[in-house]
Amino acid sequence: RKEVEQDPGPFNVPEGATVAFNCTYSNSASQSFFWYRQDCRKEPKLLMSVYSSGNEDGRFTAQLNRASQYISLLIRDSKLSDSATYLCVVNRGNTPLVFGKGTRLSVIA
Amino acid sequence: IAGITQAPTSQILAAGRRMTLRCTQDMRHNAMYWYRQDLGLGLRLIHYSNTAGTTGKGEVPDGYSVSRANTDDFPLTLASAVPSQTSVYFCASSVQQGNTGELFFGEGSRLTVL
Repeated sequence: RKEVEQDPGPFNVPEGATVAFNCTYSNSASQSFFWYRQDCRKEPKLLMSVYSSGNEDGRFTAQLNRASQYISLLIRDSKLSDSATYLCVVNRGNTPLVFGKGTRLSVIA
Repeated sequence: IAGITQAPTSQILAAGRRMTLRCTQDMRHNAMYWYRQDLGLGLRLIHYSNTAGTTGKGEVPDGYSVSRANTDDFPLTLASAVPSQTSVYFCASSVQQGNTGELFFGEGSRLTVL
């Protein structure tokens, strides 16, 4: 089992829709969690951290469920510009980050 | 402009040739990383360095070597390139390795080995 698993998609949604991605992680010692965004043929960039109590940044909401070992990303009121690949990232402590393979989102006009 | 610079941005290479991908950062970050990204396989860590003078192996280190002579530079060398090393290579840095989640990536180097 891969340490970080994501549904690769693609998720094709109309503008204005709400879409959610889940990510599961296998190592219960994982300490911190993040979502990165990667546009086509570009480098990944940090979208947001995921806090235990859940956190929101504009249209984006991240949740962590330690008991079930998954994190989620909810995007409300999808925009065309949200089309990208979303990478789930896990930190086990003093080791390099572990990246999921990503979930591809296409927002359609 | 502060950040990470990779070179070359793109290269076609004959199998068996030696190739060094360059990576320089001006943020004085302690930790640096090399990833390769392949379709369907995501980002895979090749080598990393927690601080100048130290390096470590990642998930897919075979066929690659790195050095970290100073804080700013972290070159990746393919001693004898093979077609399976065709990929997009990303260099990244972070303030330190640990609980920090923000990696800053370069724009990538597209390498094709024929």
